[in-house]
Amino acid sequence: EAGVAQSPRYKIIEKRQSVAFWCNPISGHATLYWYQQILGQGPKLLIQFQNNGVVDDSQLPKDRFSAERLKGVDSTLKIQPAKLEDSAVYLCASSYSREETQYFGPGTRLLVL
Amino acid sequence: KNEVEQSPQNLTAQEGEFITINCSYSVGISALHWLQQHPGGGIVSLFMLSSGKKKHGRLIATINIQEKHSSLHITASHPRDSAVYICAVRGTDKLIFGTGTRLQVFP
Repeated sequence: EAGVAQSPRYKIIEKRQSVAFWCNPISGHATLYWYQQILGQGPKLLIQFQNNGVVDDSQLPKDRFSAERLKGVDSTLKIQPAKLEDSAVYLCASSYSREETQYFGPGTRLLVL
Repeated sequence: KNEVEQSPQNLTAQEGEFITINCSYSVGISALHWLQQHPGGGIVSLFMLSSGKKKHGRLIATINIQEKHSSLHITASHPRDSAVYICAVRGTDKLIFGTGTRLQVFP
């Protein structure tokens, strides 16, 4: 069974630039999560989708971050404009349902200069 | 105070040693996860617990719901066990993560 795919694996940008990350969850998984993990900290949930609807985006900085999952499968997370403090690993995870085990992708490591 | 606390933050061990990582939480939970994160960033789920004890190979995870405490044990540790081990609890509708325990096992 293929795992959660993410791209790109690494991205370096300058502050005020825009960046987008892509996630392809495990086939059949209805729930998709985006996490931000700053160095030395545990992952922080940014947004949770159930199919193509948003369940929880309470910790998403909506002035600069946006995410969508239009067809209930792939998802994109965008940062516009990026700040230095956005440097982190962005992890995508998926699960069959909200109560089931989450499977994590390899993450996208973002460095904002 | 964090809702999920792990100890120790950093741990070094010699190959073959028995290792224990602890997790305490302060919220009501329906499940607790132990995750392993390697330097490349990928996260692997090791265990999901709601009571008792689970064993997989050299890894053992226990949880005491009354005391709000869980432990992850590694028997006969090996350098390939070097990673960050993260405890995460499922609260009302989301996972709450600890900051992780960085384990280094030397040959």
